[in-house]
Amino acid sequence: SFVLTQPSSLSVAPGQTATIACAGENVGRESVHWYQQKPGQAPVLVVSNNGGRPSGIPERFSGSKSGNTATLTISRVAAGDEADYYCQVWDNTSDRVLFGGGTKLSVL
Amino acid sequence: QVQVVESGGGSVKPGGSLRLSCLASGFTFTDYYMAWIRQAPGKGLEWVSFIGGKDNYINYADSVKGRFTISRDNANNLVILQMNSLRAEDTAVYYCVRRAGGSGFYYYYMDVWGKGTAVTVSS
Repeated sequence: SFVLTQPSSLSVAPGQTATIACAGENVGRESVHWYQQKPGQAPVLVVSNNGGRPSGIPERFSGSKSGNTATLTISRVAAGDEADYYCQVWDNTSDRVLFGGGTKLSVL
Repeated sequence: QVQVVESGGGSVKPGGSLRLSCLASGFTFTDYYMAWIRQAPGKGLEWVSFIGGKDNYINYADSVKGRFTISRDNANNLVILQMNSLRAEDTAVYYCVRRAGGSGFYYYYMDVWGKGTAVTVSS
């Protein structure tokens, strides 16, 4: 199996854009999904299949992928976006689920 | 509404056992893979195990293989995680989750999460 690498933390001013990367050897051939987790709460899916947005998720959340790096972009960041963000892939070779280490987003 | 609710967490000594349950409601249970994902205090998410809907296909993370057993009771919409030979490093909140999809198709992400049940392994 492979490892998904995310920055451990990111600080962004309100109204600016947050960009969180998720790098991994086989990211290019697997779909990448993103979860938001606020303190004391269960994770919530915010981006599916590299760039899909589940029902109820604001358009400010978007995802993309290039080569072996996937990116979660949050535009017009607000205080309510402060959370940990995790990328996830399903490794079809080993049939296992992998998570990145998580990125703590702080809104200044 | 669609939901999953975990129970069975608690404190146990190293080497002990614990049985977690997850009750699903609001959807056709047998159409979905179910899984357990855990989160150690202050740490990230770690997949533990999953089980198929009708075929009961199962897989485990290396960290729990041989110690944990996942099963499901389709008549009662339950997923069970039997945890034996517990270690301090198994201390975590355990989430029951649903793999997205439906009858005959699957996606590769989790779309329904429970609130979690806490497991503490300590002497």
